[in-house]
Amino acid sequence: DADVTQTPRNRITKTGKRIMLECSQTKGHDRMYWYRQDPGLGLRLIYYSFDVKDINKGEISDGYSVSRQAQAKFSLSLESAIPNQTALYFCATSDASGTQETQYFGPGTRLLVL
Amino acid sequence: GNSVTQMEGPVTLSEEAFLTINCTYTATGYPSLFWYVQYPGEGLQLLLKATKADDKGSNKGFEATYRKETTSFHLEKGSVQVSDSAVYFCALSRGGSSNYKLTFGKGTLLTVNP
Repeated sequence: DADVTQTPRNRITKTGKRIMLECSQTKGHDRMYWYRQDPGLGLRLIYYSFDVKDINKGEISDGYSVSRQAQAKFSLSLESAIPNQTALYFCATSDASGTQETQYFGPGTRLLVL
Repeated sequence: GNSVTQMEGPVTLSEEAFLTINCTYTATGYPSLFWYVQYPGEGLQLLLKATKADDKGSNKGFEATYRKETTSFHLEKGSVQVSDSAVYFCALSRGGSSNYKLTFGKGTLLTVNP
């Protein structure tokens, strides 16, 4: 079984709709992240969470919100989807042991906003 | 701020050819450096990393050496295979209290033909 899972894997929605992307992990990591990937732009950080009570904005948080329901679950919401939020979204996890972290990524959710 | 610049693709090679993907970085302090690989339809996975100057990361026949004097972390492989076809991302982590944050390059698409 995959250590980091994302649901759904693909989603088509309409402008103005609210949608939620979910991420679960079995790695026991405290830290979780949401990124979006756009062609030619690499990955950009949307939100990150160091534990259930610690949530922080990344570089492109406008138009998004998150919820850390448990150590293992971190959801990303688009309150009112717009076409330029069409992208590939990745969840990632890491632990803080050691001095330099490795992040572990889920398989991604491909979102199309019409 | 921190940034990562990697060579633009796409890169197309024949099987058994030599591969180099260039990566240079700008960062304060002493960052750790990473190469992540994204196979078609999958999330990113760590390929190799180096945490201090002159360190060499290696995995699956790929190597990269942390060169502080040239601020570079070029990825090399002596003989590529069709199964190496993927997108490769160079990334850095600043370390210290900010070691959570990965800064990615834009990615380089590699296609290996039989």
